[in-house]
Amino acid sequence: AQSVSQHNHHVILSEAASLELGCNYSYGGTVNLFWYVQYPGQHLQLLLKYFSGDPLVKGIKGFEAEFIKSKFSFNLRKPSVQWSDTAEYFCAVNAPVGRRALTFGSGTRLQVQP
Amino acid sequence: EPEVTQTPSHQVTQMGQEVILRCVPISNHLYFYWYRQILGQKVEFLVSFYNNEISEKSEIFDDQFSVERPDGSNFTLKIRSTKLEDSAMYFCAALGSYGYTFGSGTRLTVV
Repeated sequence: AQSVSQHNHHVILSEAASLELGCNYSYGGTVNLFWYVQYPGQHLQLLLKYFSGDPLVKGIKGFEAEFIKSKFSFNLRKPSVQWSDTAEYFCAVNAPVGRRALTFGSGTRLQVQP
Repeated sequence: EPEVTQTPSHQVTQMGQEVILRCVPISNHLYFYWYRQILGQKVEFLVSFYNNEISEKSEIFDDQFSVERPDGSNFTLKIRSTKLEDSAMYFCAALGSYGYTFGSGTRLTVV
């Protein structure tokens, strides 16, 4: 079974600070990897995804993530956060075979102070 | 990106009552999902639906839950006899070539 760990539960940063949110997964085979963002009161929105190829993935709003296979990690980064990045961030994985459901991490609540 | 529409946005129900949550997914998609998120917790997979039948379900999806797509458009999640612990945000999702699209969710409050 797949599992996803997000070790940072709550992160508080000042505007312009750099961000890195950790995500580690556990699965014996090839996986697809995702980061979703949930702004207060809104639905999940896809930030970026990794299926194959270049392990450094660029997403929307200046976010990027790096897949490190040897570490089973897919950390999310942004060089300079804004107040509008305040949200909950979820890492998720699924198996590429078939139409498997997503397994989500517990989420990281990011609070950016102006 | 096409939308997945969910209704109602918020439903309050008494314990023991039946509720039906509705989703109108993207019309040309074949794979549909229900997830739930209990307040303050992670998003959990409930069930996936393909070709008018359940393709996968989690241990959460017990006999009190059912899904159907009665008219080829609406995708519904029924909870037969709600419990307090069913209070959560329920998200519908559709899978397409660009990935998953999530609906805005239905907040279910069981009192």
